[in-house]
Amino acid sequence: EIVMTQSPATLSVSPGERATLSCRASQSVSSNLAWYQQKPGQAPRLLIYDAIRATGIPARFSGSGSGTEFTLTISSLQSEDFAVYYCQQYSTWPSWTFGQGTKVEIK
Amino acid sequence: EMQLVESGGGLVQPGGSLRLSCAASGFPFSGYFMTWVRQAPGKGPEWVANIKQDGSEKYYMDSVKGRFTISRDNAKNSLFLQMNSLRAEDTAVYYCARGRGWLDPWGQGTLVTVSS
Repeated sequence: EIVMTQSPATLSVSPGERATLSCRASQSVSSNLAWYQQKPGQAPRLLIYDAIRATGIPARFSGSGSGTEFTLTISSLQSEDFAVYYCQQYSTWPSWTFGQGTKVEIK
Repeated sequence: EMQLVESGGGLVQPGGSLRLSCAASGFPFSGYFMTWVRQAPGKGPEWVANIKQDGSEKYYMDSVKGRFTISRDNAKNSLFLQMNSLRAEDTAVYYCARGRGWLDPWGQGTLVTVSS
């Protein structure tokens, strides 16, 4: 099983600042990686897949990386962006795995 | 608008059974792989099972093989998860989601609690 490790566990950021979240895979997943945002009491929402923004996702969200190292960047944090973010690999069909999450909180 | 709505969760004793349902709307349900994902309290999501468009292929995580069965009714735009021999470690919010790689959209989830 591919293990996905996210860092940091918690990221404290001021509104308007840049946030950089990391996700590392225990073996190469090529570009088969997605990012999700989850707010309390809600389902995860797809943000990025294959480094492409999903429909309706603001341009301040961007994803990069391939192989084992990936980054989600939020260029200028808005109040609605404070949430937990998960990465997911879908390289090993059909057994996909998720990271344990990074909580972005207000500094 | 694409929408997925789960139902059927609840409190069940260890060894018991539950059947989860997911009603889909706003997209051609029969044209998509569908997936069940669960999330235990305070944890990341965990893939549980998925099913091909016509139901001919089904895949399960190891810990639920032989206990859970995924199925679908394309005529009724519905996805199901029959869960038998439930264990405490199956306690989680269960989500249905569309896709066979990235998942979009997700339903709002239904809580399954396995406890005596």
